[in-house]
Amino acid sequence: NAGVTQTPKFQVLKTGQSMTLQCAQDMNHEYMSWYRQDPGMGLRLIHYSVGAGITDQGEVPNGYNVSRSTTEDFPLRLLSAAPSQTSVYFCASSEGLASGSEQYFGPGTRLTVT
Amino acid sequence: GNSVTQMEGPVTLSEEAFLTINCTYTATGYPSLFWYVQYPGEGLQLLLKATKADDKGSNKGFEATYRKETTSFHLEKGSVQVSDSAVYFCALNMNTGFQKLVFGTGTRLLVSP
Repeated sequence: NAGVTQTPKFQVLKTGQSMTLQCAQDMNHEYMSWYRQDPGMGLRLIHYSVGAGITDQGEVPNGYNVSRSTTEDFPLRLLSAAPSQTSVYFCASSEGLASGSEQYFGPGTRLTVT
Repeated sequence: GNSVTQMEGPVTLSEEAFLTINCTYTATGYPSLFWYVQYPGEGLQLLLKATKADDKGSNKGFEATYRKETTSFHLEKGSVQVSDSAVYFCALNMNTGFQKLVFGTGTRLLVSP
C-alpha cells in the first residue's frame, strides 16, 4: 500500500493564480480531510469528506474548494491564490468515524504564494 | 471552544535523557487524546492515543496518561535517542461525529549524541 499520496511536493504560485493539490489514498478509507500547517499554529482543518459526493467545511475553508467524486481521491482547489495561503498542506484519511480512529497523513505539499 | 496547549520548544536533550512534553486541553465533554509525531520532511504519524480517562497510551518507549482531573496528557520517554528528534503534536477529538482533530502548536525535540 502506498498509503496517502500528495502531489506536488512543492509549488510556487503568483497571487491570483489557481491550482489543484492532489490527494489519493489506496486504503479504501471513507473519511478524508485537508489541513494546513502554519508556524506556531499547529494544523487547522480546511475541508473534510465522509464519503464520495459528501464534503463539508472545516475551521478555515475560505479560498478553497473540494470535491469527492471517488473514494480514492480528494483534491483541494485554490481558486485565486493569496500570500496568506502560503503554508504546508496535509491530506489525511481514516477508516472510521469513531473518535479513536487513527488518521493517516500524506507527506505534505509546501505552497508559496508570491 | 476546544483547544490544546503544548509547551513551547525547542526541547534540547542529550541522548539517554528523560523526556517530558507537557500537554493540557480544554474541552466541553470527554475527548479522545492523541500524540502525533512529524519527522523532518514527512507527514504526521500517530504515536499513541487514549480514549478515556486514566487510559495510558504507549508506543516505541513513549507513554502518556489521560488525566481528567488535571485535563492533561503529558508525553514521557525514559531514555531518548537521536532518532527521536522530531516535532510532537498533541491533539484531541470530541467523541461525536466526524473526527475533527484539534491540534496543539507542536513541540520540536532535538536530541544530541
